[in-house]
Amino acid sequence: DGGITQSPKYLFRKEGQNVTLSCEQNLNHDAMYWYRQDPGQGLRLIYYSQIVNDFQKGDIAEGYSVSREKKESFPLTVTSAQKNPTAFYLCASSTAGGSPRGNEQFFGPGTRLTVL
Amino acid sequence: AQKVTQAQTEISVVEKEDVTLDCVYETRDTTYYLFWYKQPPSGELVFLIRRNSFDEQNEISGRYSWNFQKSTSSFNFTITASQVVDSAVYFCALSEAEYGGGADGLTFGKGTHLIIQP
Repeated sequence: DGGITQSPKYLFRKEGQNVTLSCEQNLNHDAMYWYRQDPGQGLRLIYYSQIVNDFQKGDIAEGYSVSREKKESFPLTVTSAQKNPTAFYLCASSTAGGSPRGNEQFFGPGTRLTVL
Repeated sequence: AQKVTQAQTEISVVEKEDVTLDCVYETRDTTYYLFWYKQPPSGELVFLIRRNSFDEQNEISGRYSWNFQKSTSSFNFTITASQVVDSAVYFCALSEAEYGGGADGLTFGKGTHLIIQP
């Protein structure tokens, strides 16, 4: 089955620790995205990548870092510089050809991060 | 800058009632895309529809229908004969083709929590 997997589903960390969220897709999509969702809020874009070894900051990139060494994988690191990291994190992917801004984004099941 | 407004934070209706979720957007582009996603309690977003700015035809898919009106910058979503399984948070989103504020990806509204009571 093609799709996007995110792990872990729930993640707890102590203040001051970095933590990495996994996102893997087997849809052969070029583009991948990370969004953050807070209670009662819509999704906000953290980082996106249109191609391997290249990525761009989204609207709320401060305190986060990413890498895109493989087409299938786009891990997100929440660093200690992120002041309020407790949130629900969603990874998405889409095709990048044609009109990428009009392409449907497929979402993973999300990771719920709680800072203790 | 682009913006999506979903003014209805929460809607509660009794099963079998029709319900409309409102979405108003702002964009500088003449070419853009609008989306609706459903987020059930499990958290994963489910794609419902995509519409580009040049296609103002309304669309119907089973009990779901969408009304796109460029004149009022609205892209409303109606569920006919609602069912308990329709209970979820619904998001409207916008993607600009020309201007993206430097970022690709979607701009989401804050969502409408739809509760269908049996």
